[in-house]
Amino acid sequence: EPEVTQTPSHQVTQMGQEVILRCVPISNHLYFYWYRQILGQKVEFLVSFYNNEISEKSEIFDDQFSVERPDGSNFTLKIRSTKLEDSAMYFCASSEAESTEAFFGQGTRLTVV
Amino acid sequence: AQTVTQSQPEMSVQEAETVTLSCTYDTSENNYYLFWYKQPPSRQMILVIRQEAYKQQNATENRFSVNFQKAAKSFSLKISDSQLGDTAMYFCAFSLNSGNTPLVFGKGTRLSVIA
Repeated sequence: EPEVTQTPSHQVTQMGQEVILRCVPISNHLYFYWYRQILGQKVEFLVSFYNNEISEKSEIFDDQFSVERPDGSNFTLKIRSTKLEDSAMYFCASSEAESTEAFFGQGTRLTVV
Repeated sequence: AQTVTQSQPEMSVQEAETVTLSCTYDTSENNYYLFWYKQPPSRQMILVIRQEAYKQQNATENRFSVNFQKAAKSFSLKISDSQLGDTAMYFCAFSLNSGNTPLVFGKGTRLSVIA
């Protein structure tokens, strides 16, 4: 069964460093998303991406964040200068069409120290 | 803005029994989707069930069913014949029926199934 895959599963980084979280969406999906979940809290939307551009972003998604689909298969989330409060689980998701089910990856746990 | 509220932070149920998880939401829109996602200890978010707001019939997926009350903006999940593998966080989520709009999640209910 097709699935969304994320790498790495866990990343530890020093405050101020740049991190790139990687996702491979399901191959025929056209819509891509990043969500995050701070430990013990609810899942929050960060950004959605369609047709090689951001279609919507939340207040969390400030200038420190960027997304890219560099090669037609990967979908990356970059955090330029990490802060302690960026520590969270980051989930990538994809969907085949608008308003259809979003399939989630297993998440990347980011720990900023 | 849409909001989703899950008022039960934690629940427990005996194996083989039935449990109902509550969810309410707030929106001024008429066309939308509602979802229940399961997050087991493996952390992956797994879709359990989905309901289109324009459908009056409640969605059912094997042991999982919903009670969708559109006027009351209520969307509860019933799990019948609970199994140990149902132990997980359950998130209620909302999405507008327009474009690839994001999911809005509730805070979740931690369900423990007890042998």
